[in-house]
Amino acid sequence: DTEVTQTPKHLVMGMTNKKSLKCEQHMGHRAMYWYKQKAKKPPELMFVYSYEKLSINESVPSRFSPECPNSSLLNLHLHALQPEDSALYLCASSQATGGNSPLHFGNGTRLTVT
Amino acid sequence: GESVGLHLPTLSVQEGDNSIINCAYSNSASDYFIWYKQESGKGPQFIIDIRSNMDKRQGQRVTVLLNKTVKHLSLQIAATQPGDSAVYFCAELPYTDKLIFGTGTRLQVFP
Repeated sequence: DTEVTQTPKHLVMGMTNKKSLKCEQHMGHRAMYWYKQKAKKPPELMFVYSYEKLSINESVPSRFSPECPNSSLLNLHLHALQPEDSALYLCASSQATGGNSPLHFGNGTRLTVT
Repeated sequence: GESVGLHLPTLSVQEGDNSIINCAYSNSASDYFIWYKQESGKGPQFIIDIRSNMDKRQGQRVTVLLNKTVKHLSLQIAATQPGDSAVYFCAELPYTDKLIFGTGTRLQVFP
């Protein structure tokens, strides 16, 4: 079992819906990440939070809105998504940013946009 | 541009044999590398890492080799088991904090 917990495991939403993905870790890590993974492709970085502040946004469309309420929680708010946004959304955490610290991933939320 | 790639998309091995998964990287400034295993329906699982001041590191049944001269990384799995079947990603974590994944290699283990 992973120490990074993501909910829900599966989500189906329409293009006009608003939903949120949630991620939680209790390893005391101070860096948290959102990745997007399409089928048979490697994960692609979306956002990085360091000490609860957004440090990297990889030019992600504004229909994806991250939030870090505290050092253990990370949310991804979704609004007006497109069918091409269907993918596996992975959350990860690491001790800190700055390199030399492996990322630990959750099992993801499988998102389908209809 | 920066990239981390793999030579083979699929590797098939017989149970009990050793497996070698290769990876090429292009960012010579990178100083930290990670191998991940991803099983179907799961997130990437950390296997082993290596820093650029090392050329070899061993774990339980796994060994990572780093050749900085040719910018090559490999993962060796000893006595491959059916449970090792998965997609393996090498990843590079440069100072920019952006973990860059390779394209992935699927390892299939046959009895």
